[in-house]
Amino acid sequence: DAGVIQSPRHEVTEMGQEVTLRCKPISGHDYLFWYRQTMMRGLELLIYFNNNVPIDDSGMPEDRFSAKMPNASFSTLKIQPSEPRDSAVYFCASRYRANYGYTFGSGTRLTVV
Amino acid sequence: GDSVTQMEGPVTLSEEAFLTINCTYTATGYPSLFWYVQYPGEGLQLLLKATKADDKGSNKGFEATYRKETTSFHLEKGSVQVSDSAVYFCALSDLESSASKIIFGSGTRLSIRP
Repeated sequence: DAGVIQSPRHEVTEMGQEVTLRCKPISGHDYLFWYRQTMMRGLELLIYFNNNVPIDDSGMPEDRFSAKMPNASFSTLKIQPSEPRDSAVYFCASRYRANYGYTFGSGTRLTVV
Repeated sequence: GDSVTQMEGPVTLSEEAFLTINCTYTATGYPSLFWYVQYPGEGLQLLLKATKADDKGSNKGFEATYRKETTSFHLEKGSVQVSDSAVYFCALSDLESSASKIIFGSGTRLSIRP
């Protein structure tokens, strides 16, 4: 099992550009979560999906952020336009059933200059 | 709503010292409890978990016991190593109130001196 796979590992972009982060969950996991981690705010849940359907997006900061899960093996988090305050590490995690622990990916470190 | 409170760091110990990281929780229902560890440059990894009162989770020499009467889940290790230096997160999952989300504490940074 390759675990949760995120790409890219690092992304540096200029303010105003579109950024797309990608995640491949563990096969068979039916929940997928996107988190953001910063020193100031710690871990923040942005959005999560169950069986590819968005369940709770109340953590998405604003309309510049969007997430999709077109199938069980792929999800994207898009920021358009990006701003310096979006700089953070973005984690994807997947989960098998509601009462199990998460498996996290290695994260994407985003720097917006 | 549900919440997790853990001791603030950083915590600095010498190698072979005894470790305790305190964690208390507030939950509407009957949550499952977790400890996650994050090593530098990596994602969080599940360290141990407990799903009911008096359960003891253990892994890699770490232990934590689910105490319903004190709503606590303190992490302990008898003899820490330099390789245990990381950030530790206490967390809960409460199907009644939080659906499928895991609620994380703010994390405790642990540094072990050789």
